[in-house]
Amino acid sequence: IAGITQAPTSQILAAGRRMTLRCTQDMRHNAMYWYRQDLGLGLRLIHYSNTAGTTGKGEVPDGYSVSRANTDDFPLTLASAVPSQTSVYFCASSDSSLAGDYNEQFFGPGTRLTVL
Amino acid sequence: GQNIDQPTEMTATEGAIVQINCTYQTSGFNGLFWYQQHAGEAPTFLSYNVLDGLEEKGRFSSFLSRSKGYSYLLLKELQMKDSASYLCAAMDSNYQLIWGAGTKLIIKP
Repeated sequence: IAGITQAPTSQILAAGRRMTLRCTQDMRHNAMYWYRQDLGLGLRLIHYSNTAGTTGKGEVPDGYSVSRANTDDFPLTLASAVPSQTSVYFCASSDSSLAGDYNEQFFGPGTRLTVL
Repeated sequence: GQNIDQPTEMTATEGAIVQINCTYQTSGFNGLFWYQQHAGEAPTFLSYNVLDGLEEKGRFSSFLSRSKGYSYLLLKELQMKDSASYLCAAMDSNYQLIWGAGTKLIIKP
């Protein structure tokens, strides 16, 4: 693995189903993020994790949950999908989110999710 | 509230220069990022400014004025491969990025 990988690449999901989007990075970055990108809107932060074992809510967390059991993996779960969650989901990581640190984020290739 | 404004779309000619503007309002400020995103792909980092002034990196330059809440990305000697969306993002007091909707740049031969 080189960088960040996401799975699946795309998915069509029936409303009400549970779905987990996977994200793995091999850069040993301590901070990880989940964004959704919708046409005409900027990237919106769903959840983030500053370090393994901790998570935080972003701008649009409702309907989503995350976990950070180790440094490399940061799965995003939709407990009961709804059509408004149709979007492109990007996972990102950065070397640090600590005060005073440069915070360039590296992005995975994205997951295109359609909820019907 | 927090807000990032940038033009929705711009058109330029191959070989020319284009300037993409971005204004921001955030709770605190810890730097301004520019990313490039080709259609169907992930954003990739272009530049970071935290102090006022111009940062030059090859054909791309980025400018910041903290007092005006303003930044621009300058692309010189445009090539067809520069056709992409350019995303402006400001880092707030919590060190989270607030993103603009992106400027779609169309390059014509």
